[in-house]
Amino acid sequence: EVQLLQSGAEVKKPGESLKISCKGSGYTFTNYWIGWVRQMPGKGLQWMGSIYPADSDIRYSPSFQGQVSISADKSIAVAYLQWNSLKASDTAIYYCARFDYYDSNGPYRLGYWGQGTLVTVSS
Amino acid sequence: QPVLTQPPSASASLGASVTLTCTLSSGYSKFKVDWYQQRPGKGPRFLMRVGTDGIVGSKGDGIPDRFSVLASGLNRYLTIKNIQEEDESDYHCGAEHGSGSNFGLVFGGGTKLTVL
Repeated sequence: EVQLLQSGAEVKKPGESLKISCKGSGYTFTNYWIGWVRQMPGKGLQWMGSIYPADSDIRYSPSFQGQVSISADKSIAVAYLQWNSLKASDTAIYYCARFDYYDSNGPYRLGYWGQGTLVTVSS
Repeated sequence: QPVLTQPPSASASLGASVTLTCTLSSGYSKFKVDWYQQRPGKGPRFLMRVGTDGIVGSKGDGIPDRFSVLASGLNRYLTIKNIQEEDESDYHCGAEHGSGSNFGLVFGGGTKLTVL
């Protein structure tokens, strides 16, 4: 069974750093792109970026480029999303999800999702 | 990149049918769209992918036959028949675009479905 298990909720102050994780199991972690998606309180979904764990090829949304860092450790089947300096506006639920397929254009179909990590940034 | 537009809300009575719409911006009529269901307090769940000729590939795990998709022009539709209480959710559509270093993924604003 494919599972993506995310790290627990975090409460941080503005300016602090944070790294949240997403552990894949039940499939070959290196064979599938992983995406990160933000959902701000009461709002829709926003794609932040994606990583291919086999070679750490990363694509960022222009809206998030430079604001976050995406990485992966294929030896332990974990993907990460990291901030160096959090802002109050980073308060949101963050989901990792696995793309099921890949074609000449890139990965598609987010078939499996993690349970989400709530990040609260408040002074 | 495409813009996906969804009405913010919809409602339907228990046992009835409802069709949700995701509209692609002009010039993107050939694009495929994925539908996701998000129950209250839960993460999204993949339902199915729809292209110009209808469903593309298989439905997500455990998605009942009551859920189906169609396409017409710039619109991608999700129809739910015999609505159940558990169908009360937010429904999001998403579409990949670009390729290589220009790859991206956009979502519509989501439609909140209320079961009456």
